Amino acid sequence: GAGVSQSPSNKVTEKGKDVELRCDPISGHTALYWYRQSLGQGLEFLIYFQGNSAPDKSGLPSDRFSAERTGGSVSTLTIQRTQQEDSAVYLCASSTRDFSYEQYFGPGTRLTVT
Amino acid sequence: KNQVEQSPQSLIILEGKNCTLQCNYTVSPFSNLRWYKQDTGRGPVSLTIMTFSENTKSNGRYTATLDADTKQSSLHITASQLSDSASYICVVRTETGANNLFFGTGTRLTVIP
Repeated sequence: GAGVSQSPSNKVTEKGKDVELRCDPISGHTALYWYRQSLGQGLEFLIYFQGNSAPDKSGLPSDRFSAERTGGSVSTLTIQRTQQEDSAVYLCASSTRDFSYEQYFGPGTRLTVT
Repeated sequence: KNQVEQSPQSLIILEGKNCTLQCNYTVSPFSNLRWYKQDTGRGPVSLTIMTFSENTKSNGRYTATLDADTKQSSLHITASQLSDSASYICVVRTETGANNLFFGTGTRLTVIP
């Protein structure tokens, strides 16, 4: 079956512009996660959606970052007034709510802020 | 402080050789530990998952070990292939919630012919 998909695969934007990154999780997966992976760094948790519960936003680095998940499926991560330090690969993952909570990752969106 | 540390940071080996990657963690309470393989430009893909009671688990040429007492895990790759070139990430989950994951920074493995 189809895996997690993300778009765009690459995004170059000017400092100060807003960007939207999209994630299509695996159908039926109730949990969705956003991570950021900077060069040479580990994955950094950003936000977590589980079903209809309020999202866990504890990982968002600033109020310029926000995310939505519509209809329990597609999610959009929005970064407003982008800064150069926002340059990274943004990974989305989804999982079923089972014992192992295995996460299936998308290919990521590489964001470059110039 | 919950942390996951991996070593070495990078590794280059000849095709056909074996190698072992290390993961030390201080995450508590422990739920499970997972090794991921991340090819360049791709998302991580799960290789193995280990719970507290498991000491070793194999997936083809990949064998993971876990010592929950010393909080150490290793990933052993036998008879390496060029396609094994990737980053290998150790991820430890706590028991306190589905989103409590701690990621290592990974080991970058390069297999050369």
